[in-house]
Amino acid sequence: DTGVSQDPRHKITKRGQNVTFRCDPISEHNRLYWYRQTLGQGPEFLTYFQNEAQLEKSRLLSDRFSAERPKGSFSTLEIQRTEQGDSAMYLCASSSDKKNTEAFFGQGTRLTVV
Amino acid sequence: GNSVTQMEGPVTLSEEAFLTINCTYTATGYPSLFWYVQYPGEGLQLLLKATKADDKGSNKGFEATYRKETTSFHLEKGSVQVSDSAVYFCALPMNTGFQKLVFGTGTRLLVSP
Repeated sequence: DTGVSQDPRHKITKRGQNVTFRCDPISEHNRLYWYRQTLGQGPEFLTYFQNEAQLEKSRLLSDRFSAERPKGSFSTLEIQRTEQGDSAMYLCASSSDKKNTEAFFGQGTRLTVV
Repeated sequence: GNSVTQMEGPVTLSEEAFLTINCTYTATGYPSLFWYVQYPGEGLQLLLKATKADDKGSNKGFEATYRKETTSFHLEKGSVQVSDSAVYFCALPMNTGFQKLVFGTGTRLLVSP
């Protein structure tokens, strides 16, 4: 297993455009998390899936943000009508409730909104 | 909910110097504690963890001891290398279980030859 994979690594978009990021978790992990990290700060929790069910969403996740995990495997995070304040690193992590392990993080997608 | 405070950086050291990065937490109960490391342009990697009081987590020469008396989990290394230059994050679960983590603001370590 190659770990948590995120695509793309970098995305530059114009304000107002929609963007979508993908996360492929470690294959046996049923929990998946999205975090946002702005410059000079620690990651902040956005949302969490257990299998295909989205169990929790942070207040940081405005209605322009939507996340899915349709088959309980990969997940997508979409941002509609991007704003400059959305510029950040978007991190995905996964873990297993069977082993109750810590979260393993992907390398992130860096979004720049110009 | 749980929270964590870590010392501000940057911490600038010469190679082979001793490193301490302070981390204190506020939590209900005794959650697991973590240190993650982020190298330039990369995501987070788990460096070490401790799951109960008085546990010592260790990895790659780094150590941290879970001290419930002082609610601390300070990161230490006896002799740093240039390759240790990175940002270090202290973290713990927001609540029971591992569903979501709360992170400190990170401490940047710069090691010069």
